[in-house]
Amino acid sequence: TQLLEQSPQFLSIQEGENLTVYCNSSSVFSSLQWYRQEPGEGPVLLVTVVTGGEVKKLKRLTFQFGDARKDSSLHITAAQPGDTGLYLCAGAGSNDYKLSFGAGTTVTVRA
Amino acid sequence: DAGVTQSPTHLIKTRGQHVTLRCSPISGHKSVSWYQQVLGQGPQFIFQYYEKEERGRGNFPDRFSARQFPNYSSELNVNALLLGDSALYLCASRVGRVNTGELFFGEGSRLTVL
Repeated sequence: TQLLEQSPQFLSIQEGENLTVYCNSSSVFSSLQWYRQEPGEGPVLLVTVVTGGEVKKLKRLTFQFGDARKDSSLHITAAQPGDTGLYLCAGAGSNDYKLSFGAGTTVTVRA
Repeated sequence: DAGVTQSPTHLIKTRGQHVTLRCSPISGHKSVSWYQQVLGQGPQFIFQYYEKEERGRGNFPDRFSARQFPNYSSELNVNALLLGDSALYLCASRVGRVNTGELFFGEGSRLTVL
């Protein structure tokens, strides 16, 4: 059972469209991270959010941490084929040594 | 600088066999963690080693074991393989023990159990 629930599970859009991926939990996390994983590779960190209500922008990607630090969203503006991949959210407790991952959202951007 | 390196990249075993997976962390990183990623799922925490000692263990049976060497490289061992052990095994390293600082993942070892 995943501690973090991600939705949708799959997302297929046309180049230039926008998309949003959601990550929800009943648990409070001291920080939440978003990773992107491409086939045959390990996950690569995109961003870490630590403050409730925090919004971070990374070029066309916008990440938000919920006020209660239980949920997060990833929004991609004007998606490009290079954005294709598995997007994973992962939560961490304070002074914790492990990450709890969601099942991931597979994003496909068609040219 | 080299990233986290894992070997082998792919391997096929049969039920009941034993497997050893190897990981070399980024230079200067003292913490190594192992995760199992089954197809269609996110990574699940197996072990963390820091300064050559086990610091954390996930909900995996005793068939899974690991160790960290003086040079901070690590091995993951799985005995009596089951079909359900088929997965991508990811090694990750960071400088410190707790969740501060970035966790860097290797490309993984893809294990298929027949």
